Amino acid sequence: QKEVEQDPGPLSVPEGAIVSLNCTYSNSAFQYFMWYRQYSRKGPELLMYTYSSGNKEDGRFTAQVDKSSKYISLFIRDSQPSDSATYLCAMSSSGGSYIPTFGRGTSLIVHP
Amino acid sequence: DAMVIQNPRYQVTQFGKPVTLSCSQTLNHNVMYWYQQKSSQAPKLLFHYYDKDFNNEADTPDNFQSRRPNTSFCFLDIRSPGLGDAAMYLCATSGDSSYEQYFGPGTRLTVT
Repeated sequence: QKEVEQDPGPLSVPEGAIVSLNCTYSNSAFQYFMWYRQYSRKGPELLMYTYSSGNKEDGRFTAQVDKSSKYISLFIRDSQPSDSATYLCAMSSSGGSYIPTFGRGTSLIVHP
Repeated sequence: DAMVIQNPRYQVTQFGKPVTLSCSQTLNHNVMYWYQQKSSQAPKLLFHYYDKDFNNEADTPDNFQSRRPNTSFCFLDIRSPGLGDAAMYLCATSGDSSYEQYFGPGTRLTVT
């Protein structure tokens, strides 16, 4: 079992839809949870991060962490064609190494 | 703007011909990373520098080497590229004890 599992998709939705992207993990030491967005042929860029459990909202994006279930989600409201990208979850533990463990990414396609 | 720069963006090399990829950063971050990312896969950490301290991942092949002559620059040397080394190579930086990584645009390596 990989430390971080993420469905690669692709996930295809119409413009304006609510998108839900998810990751599961096995390492209970993870405390920092990140979502990166990667456009085709570009490097990942940090979209949102959350420490421990709870929700965090930033505009159309909401990150949610459920540590009891070892499950994290990224919700995108009113999705736009410009949101079409690969979304990678990443997580790391506090203390010692902060180097994140990445999921393989979910490819999202938002069609007009 | 502070950023991570990678050169070249696209590199074609022949089987067995050494190649060097470069990364520079204006963020003044202490930590620099090299990742290998193949299609639809999670970025795979090859090595990282904490300042001048080099840290090699256990499963990074000996064919891959790295140099960091100063804080701003880092190089990835592939001594004898094989067909399986064709991938996107990502350079990233982070501050001390930080989970937030800043990625460059990547170098796409093709091996013929």
